[in-house]
Amino acid sequence: DGGITQSPKYLFRKEGQNVTLSCEQNLNHDAMYWYRQDPGQGLRLIYYSQIVNDFQKGDIAEGYSVSREKKESFPLTVTSAQKNPTAFYLCASHKGMSNQPQHFGDGTRLSIL
Amino acid sequence: AQSVTQPDIHITVSEGASLELRCNYSYGATPYLFWYVQSPGQGLQLLLKYFSGDTLVQGIKGFEAEFKRSQSSFNLRKPSVHWSDAAEYFCAVGAQETSGSRLTFGEGTQLTVNP
Repeated sequence: DGGITQSPKYLFRKEGQNVTLSCEQNLNHDAMYWYRQDPGQGLRLIYYSQIVNDFQKGDIAEGYSVSREKKESFPLTVTSAQKNPTAFYLCASHKGMSNQPQHFGDGTRLSIL
Repeated sequence: AQSVTQPDIHITVSEGASLELRCNYSYGATPYLFWYVQSPGQGLQLLLKYFSGDTLVQGIKGFEAEFKRSQSSFNLRKPSVHWSDAAEYFCAVGAQETSGSRLTFGEGTQLTVNP
């Protein structure tokens, strides 16, 4: 079955360390998104990409970076500049039309050691 | 910019009772609206969507929602709640921008179902 795979499910980071969260989709979707979820705050958009080799900042992009070298992959790097990285990270994708619903992966929980 | 408000942070209902979760949005044009459900530690699952046309939309798991433009609302309803409906529910509004489309999510409503 097609879907979105996020890995790992749990990730631990030391202070000053960069970590990369993986997001892979086999739905042939054009657009991909990264969200951060904190308790009581809903989902906040970090970065999104409509096509390969292009991406835009969302509302909370500081301390994060992304790449979109392949249609099916949209990895997120949490850099040491992100001072409060502990959160649940969700990746999503949808077909080309802007009004299509987003499909979500099962998330990665990032914690600081 | 668009925004979404879910006024109820937490709702408790008894199994078999009816349910209504409120969602109010702010957007200058005709929005496209979604309801998602999330179980603990999982991603979001789409319940239903509204783009245009009939203002009462049916979704999965017996849920429905009604779009009311005059009230800027898109409330989610279910006539009889099951224990398995306990989860967090998110309303989202979509917008088309020059750089592509994006969703804005409400802060969620946590649903507890009592036996």
